[in-house]
Amino acid sequence: EAAVTQSPRNKVTVTGGNVTLSCRQTNSHNYMYWYRQDTGHGLRLIHYSYGAGNLQIGDVPDGYKATRTTQEDFFLLLELASPSQTSLYFCASSATGGLNTGQLYFGEGSKLTVL
Amino acid sequence: QQQVRQSPQSLTVWEGETAILNCSYEDSTFNYFPWYQQFPGEGPALLISISSVSDKKEDGRFTIFFNKREKKLSLHITDSQPGDSATYFCAASARNNNNRIFFGDGTQLVVKP
Repeated sequence: EAAVTQSPRNKVTVTGGNVTLSCRQTNSHNYMYWYRQDTGHGLRLIHYSYGAGNLQIGDVPDGYKATRTTQEDFFLLLELASPSQTSLYFCASSATGGLNTGQLYFGEGSKLTVL
Repeated sequence: QQQVRQSPQSLTVWEGETAILNCSYEDSTFNYFPWYQQFPGEGPALLISISSVSDKKEDGRFTIFFNKREKKLSLHITDSQPGDSATYFCAASARNNNNRIFFGDGTQLVVKP
């Protein structure tokens, strides 16, 4: 069973604060993703990566940076957090990038509150 | 423009009834359609998927019906159980789409005992 671990699971910060969300997958998957989930908007893709050092822009990238340091680790960075970034964040990984037979494996989520 | 649309936003059925969740898409190059199930406090998990070469896929009580001409699909959950209460996401992808999966906004299903 694919394993994707996120940390922290809960985070509270203030407007203008710095936040780093971490994700590690232990399944040798090439692709990793960061999504945010908000009521009424489903899952929206922020950034994704198909390998160490690679970064692709998703649909809602503004205010977010990401870095893929190794095949296992993908980080989401909020350098000047704003209340609009209060959300539930999910990391996911897949072996084939989601194409036809690719399956996304999601972590358990990181709840971020920006006061 | 939203690539994948789902309806209804929420659905309540009684135990034993059939729940029908609808999905439509815009891009005719989409050829793979997974459905993900999400329980509160958890990440989504793949439930069942279909490719565009098929018009039906069954897995136990879960069946996908696919209409390529109308760019629509639906997930039928027969003999619904309270344990099926969850949010269901329809998704779509295409081989030539830069490895992207597009998600709908989800249908929140409640099954009453």
